[in-house]
Amino acid sequence: SQKIEQNSEALNIQEGKTATLTCNYTNYSPAYLQWYRQDPGRGPVFLLLIRENEKEKRKERLKVTFDTTLKQSLFHITASQPADSATYLCAFMTTDSWGKLQFGAGTQVVVTP
Amino acid sequence: GAGVSQSPSNKVTEKGKDVELRCDPISGHTALYWYRQSLGQGLEFLIYFQGNSAPDKSGLPSDRFSAERTGGSVSTLTIQRTQQEDSAVYLCASSSRTGYSNQPQHFGDGTRLSIL
Repeated sequence: SQKIEQNSEALNIQEGKTATLTCNYTNYSPAYLQWYRQDPGRGPVFLLLIRENEKEKRKERLKVTFDTTLKQSLFHITASQPADSATYLCAFMTTDSWGKLQFGAGTQVVVTP
Repeated sequence: GAGVSQSPSNKVTEKGKDVELRCDPISGHTALYWYRQSLGQGLEFLIYFQGNSAPDKSGLPSDRFSAERTGGSVSTLTIQRTQQEDSAVYLCASSSRTGYSNQPQHFGDGTRLSIL
């Protein structure tokens, strides 16, 4: 069956360090991958999108990689700040399910001063 | 408003009652989605509307769940004869253009539904 896995354990990191989150998938052939941020009591907010033929995408302090061989995406927050503390969700869209995003359960990031 | 608006923000009801949840998408967005998020879980797809096409209802968990979108804008998710397992946050999202282009989805802050 199709599965998306994100580390369920919270990532605790010191301010200024780089946070790296992992999103693994099985039995998918995603065409697109998106990363969202979700704060408590709020809806997810879109951060980055990467296509299957792209290896890396950057936006300010954020970087996403997409390795279709390893079936994995990595999400990096460089020079992390306490304001980056949130839950980060990865989501896939496949060519046989256009319009429908399949979400992982998310990884909580806690950045301490 | 500029974003996706959902109402009510919280709903507490007794088991067996019907509930209606409302979503106002961003103006001009042709695609509208409903998701469900249980505590500590990822988002579970429920239903997807795209323009005037028939909605994709493949994620609705039972026939107690239904949704409609009037005039290509506002959507209502209805849950009949609610059960305790229906307790969750129901999120609505909208996006521009069609499913063949991967547009970001813009989410509302959800309706937190509690079934007693």
